[in-house]
Amino acid sequence: EAGVVQSPRYKIIEKKQPVAFWCNPISGHNTLYWYLQNLGQGPELLIRYENEEAVDDSQLPKDRFSAERLKGVDSTLKIQPAELGDSAVYLCASSFGTREQFFGPGTRLTVL
Amino acid sequence: GENVEQHPSTLSVQEGDSAVIKCTYSDSASNYFPWYKQELGKRPQLIIDIRSNVGEKKDQRIAVTLNKTAKHFSLHITETQPEDSAVYFCAASSAKGGTSYGKLTFGQGTILTVHP
Repeated sequence: EAGVVQSPRYKIIEKKQPVAFWCNPISGHNTLYWYLQNLGQGPELLIRYENEEAVDDSQLPKDRFSAERLKGVDSTLKIQPAELGDSAVYLCASSFGTREQFFGPGTRLTVL
Repeated sequence: GENVEQHPSTLSVQEGDSAVIKCTYSDSASNYFPWYKQELGKRPQLIIDIRSNVGEKKDQRIAVTLNKTAKHFSLHITETQPEDSAVYFCAASSAKGGTSYGKLTFGQGTILTVHP
C-alpha cells in the first residue's frame, strides 16, 4: 500500500514569492490534514479536510495561506506571498475518519 | 484548546536501559493518545497508541500507560537499542466533541539518544 505522497520534497524561494505544495493521501482515507513543523517542535495543525470540506481551518493564516481539496482526494496548500518566517516543514497526513493519522515525508520550505 | 506538555526534552540512556517519556494533557474530552517517532529528516511514524477505555498497551519493547484521572500518559521503552535514537512526540485527540476533536495536538518532543 502506498503511503502519503508529497511534492516537492524541498523548495527554496525568495520572500514575497508564491509557493504551492501538493499532497496525495492514502487511498480510501477521507480525512486529510496539513501540518506545519518548525525545527525542534511538534507538528501544528493548519487545516483539516473531511472529503472536500475544510472542517477546521482555525489555525490557517488566511491572509497569505490557502488550501483546496477539490475532488476529495489530493490537496494543494499555497502561500502567497511567502515570508521569512514561513520557513519550515509542511507535513500532510491522512486518516479514515478520526482514526490513526499517517504522515507524508513533508516539504521543507526555505524562504530567503 | 488542548494543550499537551511533554517531558523531558532530551533523554540520554545506555543501550539496554529503559526510557520513559511523560505527557500531560488539558482537555478532558481527549480520548486518543498516539506516540510518534521521527528520525532526522523523516516523517513522523506512529509507533503505538492508546484509547481512553484502556489503561495500558504493550507492543514488544514499547508500552504506553494512561491515567485519565490525572490526565497523563507515558511511553516506556525497554531494552533500548541505538536504533531507538530519534525524536518522540506524544499527541492527544478526541473522536467526539471537545476542543481536540478530530485533530492531533502534539507535545514538544523528546530527543532520545541511546549510547552503544
